[in-house]
Amino acid sequence: TQLLEQSPQFLSIQEGENLTVYCNSSSVFSSLQWYRQEPGEGPVLLVTVVTGGEVKKLKRLTFQFGDARKDSSLHITAAQPGDTGLYLCAGASGTGGFKTIFGAGTRLFVKA
Amino acid sequence: DTGVSQDPRHKITKRGQNVTFRCDPISEHNRLYWYRQTLGQGPEFLTYFQNEAQLEKSRLLSDRFSAERPKGSFSTLEIQRTEQGDSAMYLCASSQEARTQYFGPGTRLTVL
Repeated sequence: TQLLEQSPQFLSIQEGENLTVYCNSSSVFSSLQWYRQEPGEGPVLLVTVVTGGEVKKLKRLTFQFGDARKDSSLHITAAQPGDTGLYLCAGASGTGGFKTIFGAGTRLFVKA
Repeated sequence: DTGVSQDPRHKITKRGQNVTFRCDPISEHNRLYWYRQTLGQGPEFLTYFQNEAQLEKSRLLSDRFSAERPKGSFSTLEIQRTEQGDSAMYLCASSQEARTQYFGPGTRLTVL
């Protein structure tokens, strides 16, 4: 069974601090996505990484895909209260990549 | 295009009643997915369609659950004889082939 484990599960920090969220698996994924989800809403795609070792930047967010395509990290620089939310990593699986496996998420709270 | 839409956004029902949810995907997307998300967890895959064909069903989808996508456009998810354990957020997503999935806002079901 493919699993994605995210850590930490919960993170509460002050505005301006940096943080890193991790997503780990023993399985190889053809691609990995990071989503952010607000309470009562569906997940919103932040980024897709495909190539092992790939690094993508989205303003203050930096995403990295592990060389072996089994893990990923999300680094946020100078966190802001607007970054508060549930961050989910998801890996494409199944024949034809139809099935997406989600981690349980990291709930981030940024205090002003 | 306004993205994936779901209706209703919230549904409260009594145990034993039937409920039906609707999902309208992004118009050019041929794949449509249903997920279920409970509190503190990431979304769990339920089923997916390629055009009008339902190609995969999770073991989570008991025989009380049925999904259709009759014309390869919108989809419905019906739950018969609802149970309290069915209370969750039901998410729909769509994609073009195996590319990234885009999620709707979800339908939150509460079974009393």
